[in-house]
Amino acid sequence: TQLLKQSPQFLSIQEGENLTVYCNSSSVFSSLQWYRQEPGEGPVLLVTVVTGGEVKKLKRLTFQFGDARKDSSLHITAAQPGDTGLYLCAGRMDSSYKLIFGSGTRLLVRP
Amino acid sequence: NAGVTQTPKFQVLKTGQSMTLQCAQDMNHEYMSWYRQDPGMGLRLIHYSVGAGITDQGEVPNGYNVSRSTTEDFPLRLLSAAPSQTSVYFCASSSAGIAAKNIQYFGAGTRLSVL
Repeated sequence: TQLLKQSPQFLSIQEGENLTVYCNSSSVFSSLQWYRQEPGEGPVLLVTVVTGGEVKKLKRLTFQFGDARKDSSLHITAAQPGDTGLYLCAGRMDSSYKLIFGSGTRLLVRP
Repeated sequence: NAGVTQTPKFQVLKTGQSMTLQCAQDMNHEYMSWYRQDPGMGLRLIHYSVGAGITDQGEVPNGYNVSRSTTEDFPLRLLSAAPSQTSVYFCASSSAGIAAKNIQYFGAGTRLSVL
């Protein structure tokens, strides 16, 4: 059973389009992180959100943590080919260091 | 800074063979963990350690052993490899501190095939 469900699983869009990736759960998380992974490499942290309703912006990427801390979204504005990769959400359910990962969203941005 | 180093990068095993995946970090991090990544399943935690001499099981520990004799090293041992252990394995490390804001640094992975 996947505690964190990501949608969509795959996304292929044209350069310049906008997109949103969702990370949903029925469980409450104390914090949630988004990672990006490129082929042949390990995941790299993009952002951490810890407060319900929190919104963080990283250039063209906007991250939101749901008010109830059960879900999160990643919005990319004017996608570029360099945004291509696997996007993973990961959450912590308590004060431990253990991370629970979602199944990932594979994004392809065509030039 | 090397960060988190995993060796080997690729490995092919026959069913029943044993092997050790190596992981070393040079950031003096207390927390280290091993994940496996399979298509469509994200990363699943195998074992983790909160410091030298302390290890614990994650979501999918069966068939794997770990030990943590030093802060720097956290090897993962496959005792008797099975085809179901074909996967990409990632080691990660992070410092202690506020868990909610903890950043995990990942190695480049070991791609393992068990025939």
